[in-house]
Amino acid sequence: KQEVTQIPAALSVPEGENLVLNCSFTDSAIYNLQWFRQDPGKGLTSLLLIQSSQREQTSGRLNASLDKSSGRSTLYIAASQPGDSATYLCAVNDDYKLSFGAGTTVTVRA
Amino acid sequence: DAGVIQSPRHEVTEMGQEVTLRCKPISGHDYLFWYRQTMMRGLELLIYFNNNVPIDDSGMPEDRFSAKMPNASFSTLKIQPSEPRDSAVYFCASSLGDPRGGTEAFFGQGTRLTVV
Repeated sequence: KQEVTQIPAALSVPEGENLVLNCSFTDSAIYNLQWFRQDPGKGLTSLLLIQSSQREQTSGRLNASLDKSSGRSTLYIAASQPGDSATYLCAVNDDYKLSFGAGTTVTVRA
Repeated sequence: DAGVIQSPRHEVTEMGQEVTLRCKPISGHDYLFWYRQTMMRGLELLIYFNNNVPIDDSGMPEDRFSAKMPNASFSTLKIQPSEPRDSAVYFCASSLGDPRGGTEAFFGQGTRLTVV
């Protein structure tokens, strides 16, 4: 059974600092990995999807890396802003379903 | 496109009552998923459909839970009878094509269910 772990569980940084969010998974036989953002009381917004054959994916200030062999992915958010405050979820696809981590709750202080 | 649409957004019901959650996937998406989110267990897949056919319902917790997809634009998740431990946020998601091929899953806003 795939286990997905996200560390740290919570993070508080001053505005402008770069964010580094970590995700690890136990079974490296994955098809892809997806990062989501969840705001309180809201649904999940897809941020980035990395195919198993890719090493990284970028979108604006966001960059996600994937090291499938070691079972790790990292989401980097450059120059954080208060609007980046949310919970970030990592999910791996090793079949049709997504297996989610518990998330990292980020607070960016103005 | 308006995205995945779920209704109702909030539902409060008494134990023993029937609850029906509704989902409209993104037009053209042929995969539909129902997930449940709780503090204790996080996000878990309950069931998914491909071209309106249920493929894997192994995540459905009990026989009290059932899901249908009568057509490509509508799905329901029903709980009968409901119990307090069913209280959670239920998400519907859809994707265009086989998720293993790298198509993104798009989630609805969720239905927050409270059973008292």
